[in-house]
Amino acid sequence: EAGVTQFPSHSVIEKGQTVTLRCDPISGHDNLYWYRRVMGKEIKFLLHFVKESKQDESGMPNNRFLAERTGGTYSTLKVQPAELEDSGVYFCASSQFGQRGDEQFFGPGTRLTVL
Amino acid sequence: AQKVTQAQTEISVVEKEDVTLDCVYETRDTTYYLFWYKQPPSGELVFLIRRNSFDEQNEISGRYSWNFQKSTSSFNFTITASQVVDSAVYFCALSEAMDNAGNMLTFGGGTRLMVKP
Repeated sequence: EAGVTQFPSHSVIEKGQTVTLRCDPISGHDNLYWYRRVMGKEIKFLLHFVKESKQDESGMPNNRFLAERTGGTYSTLKVQPAELEDSGVYFCASSQFGQRGDEQFFGPGTRLTVL
Repeated sequence: AQKVTQAQTEISVVEKEDVTLDCVYETRDTTYYLFWYKQPPSGELVFLIRRNSFDEQNEISGRYSWNFQKSTSSFNFTITASQVVDSAVYFCALSEAMDNAGNMLTFGGGTRLMVKP
């Protein structure tokens, strides 16, 4: 069974540009999460999809971040325009049932560098 | 609000030594879940264990063991007879069960473990 995959693995962009990160969850997992770890800080929750609906987006830092999950399969996270403080590793995770305490399966992350 | 603290940012041991990674948490919820994840050099977070707040039994899985103590709000992780392959960053995480808590995981800052041959 394939795990959670993320693309690209690395992205280097200039401040002000746009970047789109993609996450493919484990097949059959309705729940998809985005987290990020900026340099020297903890991994922080961004948002949670149940199928195509945003269940919780309380962690989204500002309106420069737009997450979508059309069709309830893969998800994209767009940053527009990117700022220096957006640099970090963006993780995606998925779970099958979405109940509290469920194991979340993580992808390898996308390392974003904004210059 | 919930918080997880991993005071040890980096630990270095020699192979075959035992090592304990500390995790202290804060929560106002009476029902919660605690996790440990391992992040090897490949980058993904690998699930190691989940405990709920009502189960304080210590757990052992091979060379790994976990000590959950509600009295001190700690969920420490011990690797016995460490091996070079144990070198990784280890994260402790908390998930609360309150209705408005969502399913998010709250992570500690991680502990980088280096096991030298």
